[in-house]
This record gives sequence, C-alpha cells and structure tokens, in this order.
Amino acid sequence: SAVISQKPSRDICQRGTSLTIQCQVDSQVTMMFWYRQQPGQSLTLIATANQGSEATYESGFVIDKFPISRPNLTFSTLTVSNMSPEDSSIYLCSGQGAVDTEAFFGQGTRLTVV
Amino acid sequence: GENVEQHPSTLSVQEGDSAVIKCTYSDSASNYFPWYKQELGKGPQLIIDIRSNVGEKKDQRIAVTLNKTAKHFSLHITETQPEDSAVYFCAASQSTGNQFYFGTGTSLTVIP
Repeated sequence: SAVISQKPSRDICQRGTSLTIQCQVDSQVTMMFWYRQQPGQSLTLIATANQGSEATYESGFVIDKFPISRPNLTFSTLTVSNMSPEDSSIYLCSGQGAVDTEAFFGQGTRLTVV
Repeated sequence: GENVEQHPSTLSVQEGDSAVIKCTYSDSASNYFPWYKQELGKGPQLIIDIRSNVGEKKDQRIAVTLNKTAKHFSLHITETQPEDSAVYFCAASQSTGNQFYFGTGTSLTVIP
C-alpha cells in the first residue's frame, strides 16, 4: 500500500489563527480524504479532496472554515481557519486507489488551540 | 445514510486468549468492510478486510466473519499478544460511493 506523509505531526496554535496541514502520498491515488478524530473517538469525514476542483464537504463542515487544495494526484492540504479551542483535535489525511479498496492513512496532526 | 455500531468499547484479555469485536451496519448496500488498528499517536492501519461476496477471511491470527443477512461482521484475534493492544475500528463502504463509515472503536488491552 502507499505511504502517506503528513505534517506537521502536532502543533499548538493561538485562537484566531490558521494552520495548514500537508499530505503527501508516495504514489498517485484516485481519492484523498480529510478526517477529524476527537480524542478517544471515531473518525469523522470532513471532505473529499478533488483533484483540480473544489472539495466535497460533509454536513457540518464548510469551505470557509476548512479550505482544501489538491493540485495533483499525490498532494493535498487542509487549512483550519480562524481557529478556536473547539478545533483542537487530530486531523487525518487518507488516500484510496479506487472505490472498495484499502484506504490508508497518514499519521495524523494533533492540533491544540489555546 | 449508513450507521455502523461497534461493541465492546473496551476489551481486556489475558495474553494468549482470543478477542472478538463485533460491528453491525444498517445499509444493505454496503459491500466492503475493513478493520483498522490504531496505535497511540499513529494513523489507522488496515489489518484485514472482507467483501460482501465472502463469508470469512483469515490472515494468520486474525479473522473476519460477515453475515450479510444479519448485517453484522466480527473481528477475531487468536493467541493475543501484548503488541495487539490498540484501538480497533470497523468500517463499511459501498461501491456507489467512496465514503467509509467508521464504528466508534474498541480499545483492546492484552494483559501479559
């Protein structure tokens, strides 16, 4: 399976600022996704990162708060904008070669907003 | 939409014993069911998966069973070892979409 490098691995940010998380896959993947994982909880899909077009957001997540880029088949970024303490969470990038195939994950970004 | 439930939320077993984690799903259109292991500070890693045309799949100490009629699937770990201690997530997805619906996770502790 492919390897995803995600950075930063962790960060502590001031409220009101923005953080951009980068996700690099070592091979081309059809689909890339961004998840949020609250401590001790399951994974919640934020959006599907579409190559060359706007991301597809899940209910409760909006582009102004979580802008996403995907300029090619191996790279994507997620920005957490105008952060508040409620945004403190683990953010995970995921890649998938095709529907109904393995989804593999980056190691996550642990974000703390103070 | 799909709803995946997972039980138990925590599980402690003695080393060498077996561990079983169960998941149910609601949408009969789901046809791909992966299991992920997440160690502290790491992203989830796929450990085994099963498709709806198969009832059981085994990989060394790990096996997954699927009952499509009852809409449930289970993870079985035999001869557990301390390094099996982690959080395990089940998931379900459909051919018509690409979203994974995750269970709530099971924290497994293997006691040496």
